Amino acid sequence: GIQVEQSPPDLILQEGANSTLRCNFSDSVNNLQWFHQNPWGQLINLFYIPSGTKQNGRLSATTVATERYSLLYISSSQTTDSGVYFCALIQGAQKLVFGQGTRLTINP
Amino acid sequence: EPEVTQTPSHQVTQMGQEVILRCVPISNHLYFYWYRQILGQKVEFLVSFYNNEISEKSEIFDDQFSVERPDGSNFTLKIRSTKLEDSAMYFCASSAGTLYQPQHFGDGTRLSIL
Repeated sequence: GIQVEQSPPDLILQEGANSTLRCNFSDSVNNLQWFHQNPWGQLINLFYIPSGTKQNGRLSATTVATERYSLLYISSSQTTDSGVYFCALIQGAQKLVFGQGTRLTINP
Repeated sequence: EPEVTQTPSHQVTQMGQEVILRCVPISNHLYFYWYRQILGQKVEFLVSFYNNEISEKSEIFDDQFSVERPDGSNFTLKIRSTKLEDSAMYFCASSAGTLYQPQHFGDGTRLSIL
């Protein structure tokens, strides 16, 4: 099946710093999503981005499908950005396969 | 923006008991999913459902699990005889299509088996 690898596994930053999270995948992509899991366990849908670049406020994402990676950028980090960030890809027609996640901690 | 809603937010059940987790998908969506996340681990696919039948299921989704769309709005996951290892966060999701449509997730039900 498709392999999804995220890096780094853990990232600790000071408030105001910028960060880049990476997602590598082993197969061609039709559906790639980035999620933020907050400390209460909720999965927040950040981006649906099978290719190209999208921006939403301080967050942006880029997927280069031909090179099989996606990047999530967080600028001017805030403590509320803390949590685990997952990327997930469709395997087959319907099954989302999640990476192991990057745990981001933003210290005040 | 339309949301997927799940109830209850937290369920505590004795081992061996049956539990039903409930979900209301986004109203115009046709595809429904359940995922599971054991504490500290990644999110895992359980089952997908379309046109009133299961379209795909994982190895985790064994005979103790079942899904149902009892009416036009609800989508349920039943665990027939719960085990300690069923303790996890269960997420419901829905999508308008499959390959080229995002899946929208609910806030999850935290299931604790005692």
